[in-house]
Parts: sequence; C-alpha cells; structure tokens
Amino acid sequence: GQQLNQSPQSMFIQEGEDVSMNCTSSSIFNTWLWYKQEPGEGPVLLIALYKAGELTSNGRLTAQFGITRKDSFLNISASIPSDVGIYFCAGLSGGSNYKLTFGKGTLLTVNP
Amino acid sequence: DGGITQSPKYLFRKEGQNVTLSCEQNLNHDAMYWYRQDPGQGLRLIYYSQIVNDFQKGDIAEGYSVSREKKESFPLTVTSAQKNPTAFYLCASRDYGHEQYFGPGTRLTVT
Repeated sequence: GQQLNQSPQSMFIQEGEDVSMNCTSSSIFNTWLWYKQEPGEGPVLLIALYKAGELTSNGRLTAQFGITRKDSFLNISASIPSDVGIYFCAGLSGGSNYKLTFGKGTLLTVNP
Repeated sequence: DGGITQSPKYLFRKEGQNVTLSCEQNLNHDAMYWYRQDPGQGLRLIYYSQIVNDFQKGDIAEGYSVSREKKESFPLTVTSAQKNPTAFYLCASRDYGHEQYFGPGTRLTVT
C-alpha cells in the first residue's frame, strides 16, 4: 500500500526557534493534511492543502503542497512551549475512496 | 456545540471479553472512521462508513466489528479474537470535503 515517510521522527528545540518537518512519498497525493496531537487527545486539523504548489498559513504555521505532489512541508515559526506535541501528515490520493494515509508523526519538544 | 464524542475515555477489560467503544457526532457528517494508534505509530484504519447502513473494512479489521444504524453513531466492538487489543482508539468523521475531524479517543487496556 501507499506509505508516507515523515521526518524527522523527533525534534528538541529551544523556545523561539523555527521548526521544519516534511512528508514524502513515492505516490502522488491530491490532498495533504497536517494534524497536531497532544498527549492523550485526538489529532486536531491544522492545515489542509488541495493544490500542487499551494502555500497556506495558519498563524505561525505554514504548510506547502509540493509541486511534484509527492511531498509536503510544515514550518512553525518562533516556537513556544504549547507547540509541544506530535505532528502528523496525512495524504489522500485519487481512487482511495477517501481513505487517508498517515505518516508516523514528528514528536516536537520545546524547551522554555 | 458541534463535535465528536467518544466514551469512555479509559476502558479496562479482561482478556476474552468483547468490548464496545462509543462514537457519536452531531456534525451531520455522512462518513465516519475508526483508527487504532499504538505508541510511535501512525494511525491505522480499522473500519469506515461512507453512509448509514454501509461500512467497509480498513487495513486492520480482523478482530473488530462495527455497525452504522444511525448517521450520528458508529460504535466499534473489539472482540476476543483481536490478539493485541490494548491501544488508543480514535474515531473521526468527514464532511463533503476531504478533511477528517477526530474525537478525543478512548484508551483501551486489556489484561
């Protein structure tokens, strides 16, 4: 089946630093979604991307739909302690019957 | 206040018992999904339903069963046939677009 490679697996940063993470695949996706999950909670949708090359922001978060449609990037600027959590990418391909493929997540730790 | 509710938050069962996890949504979404999450893993799809009275197996359906008798409800039964039932279970729903919205999850522990 389809797979998403999400990297890095974990990041330890200082408050105020910028963060970048990405998802890549050998398959083409038509939609990319980025979620954040805090411990013991369900994932919360952060950003949805629908067109190749699309760049979308949500506050300090910016995500891009790769031109090849095989990758996506999430950047967090000026990190704060409440950014701690696991960030997941998810992709939707044509003919998948609306089934999302998820990356394994990036665990972000922010030191105050 | 629209959203997805899952109950209970924590569930404990003895091995060999079936257990049913509740998922309710008042978002008027047609599609609903059940995922399993294990530590350090992504989300794996158990079952999904695009419409009332219809559902399909996901990638790891063995040992699980579902029903979709009402639009608002999509309960998941973890049967005794599931070899490794201890996990965090997440329910999600989708509107006409591609975005799935998740409930708070149920942590099931089977001993």
